[in-house]
Amino acid sequence: ETGVTQTPRHLVMGMTNKKSLKCEQHLGHNAMYWYKQSAKKPLELMFVYNFKEQTENNSVPSRFSPECPNSSHLFLHLHTLQPEDSALYLCASSQEGLAKAYEQYFGPGTRLTVT
Amino acid sequence: GQSLEQPSEVTAVEGAIVQINCTYQTSGFYGLSWYQQHDGGAPTFLSYNALDGLEETGRFSSFLSRSDSYGYLLLQELQMKDSASYFCAPSGGYQKVTFGTGTKLQVIP
Repeated sequence: ETGVTQTPRHLVMGMTNKKSLKCEQHLGHNAMYWYKQSAKKPLELMFVYNFKEQTENNSVPSRFSPECPNSSHLFLHLHTLQPEDSALYLCASSQEGLAKAYEQYFGPGTRLTVT
Repeated sequence: GQSLEQPSEVTAVEGAIVQINCTYQTSGFYGLSWYQQHDGGAPTFLSYNALDGLEETGRFSSFLSRSDSYGYLLLQELQMKDSASYFCAPSGGYQKVTFGTGTKLQVIP
């Protein structure tokens, strides 16, 4: 595997389900990000991890719970989501921690539909 | 405060040149990045300007004027595959990067 991978690529879940999104980067980077991309809206930064430490939580509802066990892996745990949470969830990484945050490498995203 | 403006849509002819403008207001500005995203795909990094002036990478060039809080992406010899959304992304304090809604470029024959 190369670059940034995300699984699953598509996910349909009910509002009472619990699921997790997984991101893995094979680039040796030290910072990882979760973004939400909805139609007609700017890319919304959700969480930032720098050397496994969370440095940003952009007022994200608690039904989204991130986990970063090491610099290569990032998870987003989902529970009791709302239909408005349906979106493309993108993971990204950057090298030298946040020093090169301007050059982020994105995964293909998980298309989430909440029914 | 923070603000970011770029045109929502641009149409250009194959083989032509197109310029996508970006104006921004970002606290503690560091530099300006550009990303490309094809429909259904992931954003990919194109360029970064930390200093004033023009940076060229093949058919793509990016320009920055810090005093005007303005930048642009210039695409030359347009190809059909250049049809995509283009995002300018200023970097601010604590290396925070802001993405806007992007400019959807349509290249027509």
